[in-house]
Amino acid sequence: DIQMTQSPSSVSASVGDRVTITCRASQGISSWLAWYQQKPGKAPKLLISVASNLQSGVPSRFSGSGYGTDFTLTINSLQPEDFATYYCQQANSFPLTFGGGTKVEIK
Amino acid sequence: EVQLVESGGGLVQPGGSLRLSCAASGFTFPSYWMTWVRQAPGKGLEWVANINQDGSATYYVDSVKGRFTLSRDNAKNSLSLHMNSLRADDTAVYYCATWSDSSGSFDPWGQGALVTVSS
Repeated sequence: DIQMTQSPSSVSASVGDRVTITCRASQGISSWLAWYQQKPGKAPKLLISVASNLQSGVPSRFSGSGYGTDFTLTINSLQPEDFATYYCQQANSFPLTFGGGTKVEIK
Repeated sequence: EVQLVESGGGLVQPGGSLRLSCAASGFTFPSYWMTWVRQAPGKGLEWVANINQDGSATYYVDSVKGRFTLSRDNAKNSLSLHMNSLRADDTAVYYCATWSDSSGSFDPWGQGALVTVSS
């Protein structure tokens, strides 16, 4: 199984900050990586697919990059509505696996 | 509007059974892979199972193999997860979602159904 390791597990940031979340796969997954945002009590929301493809309706301050084993989600100019937990997910092979999550908190 | 609505969650004793359903609307259900993802209280996301468009292929996480069965009824735009031999560690919110076989991502998601396994 492919293990997905996210870091940090939590980050405190202020409105306007840039936040970077990393995700590392235990083996190469090409670009088969997605990023999700989850707010408390809500279902996850897809932000980015195939490493860097921003979903329709997702603000352009979100961006994704990476290939192989190392991936990054960047949030430029953090907004109040961005405080949430973010998960990466590999889609290279079954079983599909998620990272442990990164909670973005208000500083 | 695309909608996925889960039902069937509840409290069940260890060793018991439960069936979750997901009603789909607003899109061409037979054209999409479908999936269940769960989230234990206060924990992260865990993929549970996938089924292809005509139901001929299913995939499961090891921890539910032999206990859970995923099926679909394309005529009724519905997805079912039959869960047997339930254990305390199956306690979670279960989300129904579509899975894109071109990108490997889950979108959209239902609102979730809580399954609690406890005596």
